[in-house]
Amino acid sequence: GDSVTQMEGPVTLSEEAFLTINCTYTATGYPSLFWYVQYPGEGLQLLLKATKADDKGSNKGFEATYRKETTSFHLEKGSVQVSDSAVYFCALSGTSGTYKYIFGTGTRLKVLA
Amino acid sequence: DTGVSQNPRHKITKRGQNVTFRCDPISEHNRLYWYRQTLGQGPEFLTYFQNEAQLEKSRLLSDRFSAERPKGSFSTLEIQRTEQGDSAMYLCASSPWGGNQPQHFGDGTRLSIL
Repeated sequence: GDSVTQMEGPVTLSEEAFLTINCTYTATGYPSLFWYVQYPGEGLQLLLKATKADDKGSNKGFEATYRKETTSFHLEKGSVQVSDSAVYFCALSGTSGTYKYIFGTGTRLKVLA
Repeated sequence: DTGVSQNPRHKITKRGQNVTFRCDPISEHNRLYWYRQTLGQGPEFLTYFQNEAQLEKSRLLSDRFSAERPKGSFSTLEIQRTEQGDSAMYLCASSPWGGNQPQHFGDGTRLSIL
């Protein structure tokens, strides 16, 4: 079945460091891909999305490019802040008629001042 | 857009009791989803409603679980005869009709089984 694999966390970085969180997927058909962020005590918030190959999603300095050839959707940010500390989830959707999400296990990011 | 609302935020109950959670989606969102999230894991799909029709249920949804969405508005998720393994965060999400729209999530209901 369809699946999403994320890099293990936690990831600990100093403020202003470069961030990469790897995400690869296995899917039949052509899914849409999403990154969600979960801050402590809060629900999941959509960070960015891409709906077809070579699309780049971006928001709040974060970017991810839908790479069909490598089945990847890696999340990047050039300079992280303490406020970016959260859990990040990669997800795919659109391979079933209900558009349900299949999530990765999440990657915890901790940014130190 | 008032967001997806879930109640209660926390529920503590004894094993064997029944519990019910409520989700109020964003108004006019006709798609509604329930997910379950355990510690250190990503959310797992439980069930999906399109308006009032329940169109898909995961194998995770045993016969002790039932979900409804009367009149296509709010939804309830009931767990009967709770077990220790039911302890989790239960998330509700909604999205508008049309293609692969992003889902909007509530803050979840955390269930703890004593």
